[in-house]
Amino acid sequence: GIQVEQSPPDLILQEGANSTLRCNFSDSVNNLQWFHQNPWGQLINLFYIPSGTKQNGRLSATTVATERYSLLYISSSQTTDSGVYFCAVGGATGTASKLTFGTGTRLQVTL
Amino acid sequence: EAQVTQNPRYLITVTGKKLTVTCSQNMNHEYMSWYRQDPGLGLRQIYYSMNVEVTDKGDVPEGYKVSRKEKRNFPLILESPSPNQTSLYFCASSLPTGGPYNEQFFGPGTRLTVL
Repeated sequence: GIQVEQSPPDLILQEGANSTLRCNFSDSVNNLQWFHQNPWGQLINLFYIPSGTKQNGRLSATTVATERYSLLYISSSQTTDSGVYFCAVGGATGTASKLTFGTGTRLQVTL
Repeated sequence: EAQVTQNPRYLITVTGKKLTVTCSQNMNHEYMSWYRQDPGLGLRQIYYSMNVEVTDKGDVPEGYKVSRKEKRNFPLILESPSPNQTSLYFCASSLPTGGPYNEQFFGPGTRLTVL
């Protein structure tokens, strides 16, 4: 099945810093989503981005499908950004709509 | 508000006592799915359903059952729970693959502990 790798696994930032999270995947995809899992365990949809670039406030994401990677940018980080960020992909073949998740990037933003 | 709801949110039970975790969505989505999340193993798909009366196994279906009698509901059934089913469970829904937009939406999660 499709493999998803995220880097870095852990990240500590001071409030106000910027960061880039990376997601590499091993095959063609028809779905790529970024999620934030908050300290209460809820998965928050950040972006649906199988290709192209999107922005939402301080967050933006870019997926280069032909090169099989996606990047999540966090600017001017805040303590509320802390948590785990997951990239999840749905393959272009195989089980329809199944998402394969990466192992996540754990982000801690300190004052 | 468009959403996926799960109940209960937290449950502590004992080995062997049958339980059902309900999942409901109000977005008229055809596709629904269950995942479990475990430390070090990430999120893994348990079962999915392409539409009413159509269900199939995901990656870790052992010990679980599902049914899809209505489009909006997709309950997860544990007939005889065991401690290795202690986990955080998520229900998700989306439009089917092949359409123009199949972003998946997740419920708030159900934290299950089996003693």
